Amino acid sequence: GAVVSQHPSWVICKSGTSVKIECRSLDFQATTMFWYRQFPKQSLMLMATSNEGSKATYEQGVEKDKFLINHASLTLSTLTVTSAHPEDSSFYICSARGVAGGVDTQYFGPGTRLTVL
Amino acid sequence: DQQVKQNSPSLSVQEGRISILNCDYTNSMFDYFLWYKKYPAEGPTFLISISSIKDKNEDGRFTVFLNKSAKHLSLHIVPSQPGDSAVYFCAASAGANNLFFGTGTRLTVIP
Repeated sequence: GAVVSQHPSWVICKSGTSVKIECRSLDFQATTMFWYRQFPKQSLMLMATSNEGSKATYEQGVEKDKFLINHASLTLSTLTVTSAHPEDSSFYICSARGVAGGVDTQYFGPGTRLTVL
Repeated sequence: DQQVKQNSPSLSVQEGRISILNCDYTNSMFDYFLWYKKYPAEGPTFLISISSIKDKNEDGRFTVFLNKSAKHLSLHIVPSQPGDSAVYFCAASAGANNLFFGTGTRLTVIP
């Protein structure tokens, strides 16, 4: 089946530092990738939509200068949390939309747990 | 504005019985619906989908029903197994646009 990977799976950093999270679609090309954030016991919150080779589209309330998204290729998107603060601590999940095994759907990565001290 | 709603935050079912998870939506432009299963600290796993041209799709123990007039879909799991215990999210999209997720229903299957 389709696989979307994320790296790292967890990261702990100091306040003020930047953290980069990678998202890769492993067996299909994803023209569109999504980044979500999940708070405890809540649903997934879409942060931004990125299309390969173009600027990401951010949802209302998401700071584009803080959450930098780069969709460098059809299989790789990165999310950089700049100048991280404790309130940025969360579970970040990427997703890629594509056709794999004849099914057109959105596949999710395993998520990255970010803890900012 | 929550366009996809799962009004039951939790559901408990005996092993072997049927689990029915419900989802309602408000946007009549939605034409593709999906169900995801999620364990804590993991990304959602795609389960089953249905397009608006169908009213039923079945895959093994999982069946999704779509009632477009009522803007309602449901996921049936039969027979339910303890390993099915997880949070289930329904999602909907209009064309190739982003998915809108419900708030999830925590299913507990009691052995």
